[in-house]
Amino acid sequence: DVQMTQSLSYLAASPGESVSISCKASKSISNYLAWYQQKPGEAYKLLIYSGSTLQSGTPSRFSGSGSGTDFTLTIRSLEPEDFGLYYCQQYYEKPFTFGSGTKLEIK
Amino acid sequence: EVQLVESGGGLVQPGRSLKLSCAASGFTFSNYYMAWVRQAPKKGLEWVATISTSGSRTYYPDSVKGRFTISRDNAKSSLYLQMNSLKSEDTATYYCARHSALRILRTPMDAWGQGASVTVSS
Repeated sequence: DVQMTQSLSYLAASPGESVSISCKASKSISNYLAWYQQKPGEAYKLLIYSGSTLQSGTPSRFSGSGSGTDFTLTIRSLEPEDFGLYYCQQYYEKPFTFGSGTKLEIK
Repeated sequence: EVQLVESGGGLVQPGRSLKLSCAASGFTFSNYYMAWVRQAPKKGLEWVATISTSGSRTYYPDSVKGRFTISRDNAKSSLYLQMNSLKSEDTATYYCARHSALRILRTPMDAWGQGASVTVSS
């Protein structure tokens, strides 16, 4: 199975700051990488797919980069509504696997 | 608006069975692969099953293969997960999700339900 590692389980930042969340795959997954956001009481939301393509409705302050095994989600100029949980997922091969998640909290 | 609403969760004893349902609306259900994803308490996400548009092909990870069965009724725009021989480690919130592209498996999930809670305990 492809292991997805999000090295940071917790990240604290202030509104207006920029943050980056990393995700590493145990083998090359090309660009079959998605990022999801979860906020309390809300459904999971697809933010980015194909490593760097913004899903419709995702604000432009979000960006994704990477290919192969190393990927990064960057949020520029954090807004209060950006705080929550972020997961990466590979859909290159089955079983589809997720990272362990990064909790982004307000400092 | 795309909506996915799960139902059927609850408390069940180890070794027993439970069937989850997911009612879909706001899109042409029969055109999309559908999936179940779960999240155990304080844990990350785990893909549980995917089904093709017609229901002829199903996919599972080893952790549930042989115990869980995903199915669909396109006429009712409904997705199901039959869970047999339940174990304590199956305790989780189960999410119904839509694969994002028409008739394609290797895609992310672009719509999720709010989840149904399943607790396996004696």
